[in-house]
Amino acid sequence: GAGVSQSPRYKVAKRGQDVALRCDPISGHVSLFWYQQALGQGPEFLTYFQNEAQLDKSGLPSDRFFAERPEGSVSTLKIQRTQQEDSAVYLCASSLVGTSGSTGELFFGEGSRLTVL
Amino acid sequence: AQSVTQLGSHVSVSEGALVLLRCNYSSSVPPYLFWYVQYPNQGLQLLLKYTSAATLVKGINGFEAEFKKSETSFHLTKPSAHMSDAAEYFCAVSDRAGYALNFGKGTSLLVTP
Repeated sequence: GAGVSQSPRYKVAKRGQDVALRCDPISGHVSLFWYQQALGQGPEFLTYFQNEAQLDKSGLPSDRFFAERPEGSVSTLKIQRTQQEDSAVYLCASSLVGTSGSTGELFFGEGSRLTVL
Repeated sequence: AQSVTQLGSHVSVSEGALVLLRCNYSSSVPPYLFWYVQYPNQGLQLLLKYTSAATLVKGINGFEAEFKKSETSFHLTKPSAHMSDAAEYFCAVSDRAGYALNFGKGTSLLVTP
């Protein structure tokens, strides 16, 4: 597609529910990133994929957070047993990183706003 | 680890006035530096980037930034603010091309008539 697409744009979950957030990166982009943005804060790194390989998951806040990218394209961020502190906007970004001439620019989607009640 | 500090969480300028948003970085290696803008309920859009070429970088919408190694700064400027510039601005740093960016906490720019 023309840009990074995320769904759903808005999700309301009851505490304890599981949620899944989807990211469809720009076609051909090797790298994919997930960020968490709390209200009034800058984005915080969660995890990074190069193709289907998850190369860095150091930013995932707990073992309730899980991300996958099985075919090296679409990615899903799953949050199990949601808590109120998980309420945030989850941003996905993709990049040409790994290809010749890339300067590391990340292209962001519009985000998925999660509200946990 | 690389990090950035944005001085001033809120900046208010009059329409037509100079915009100056401050960013200082911390990096043990030559950094890659970025400024992104975020409008309400939208994702982040790249304004400009520094990748060790020219120290004065020109971006979209009339913004520019100057990389000053001696001051470890990468401040964002625009000569004349427009109402449409009101948004949240984020400075970000990485030590490698295409690796994860570390973002500052952001500066909210308000433009008054």
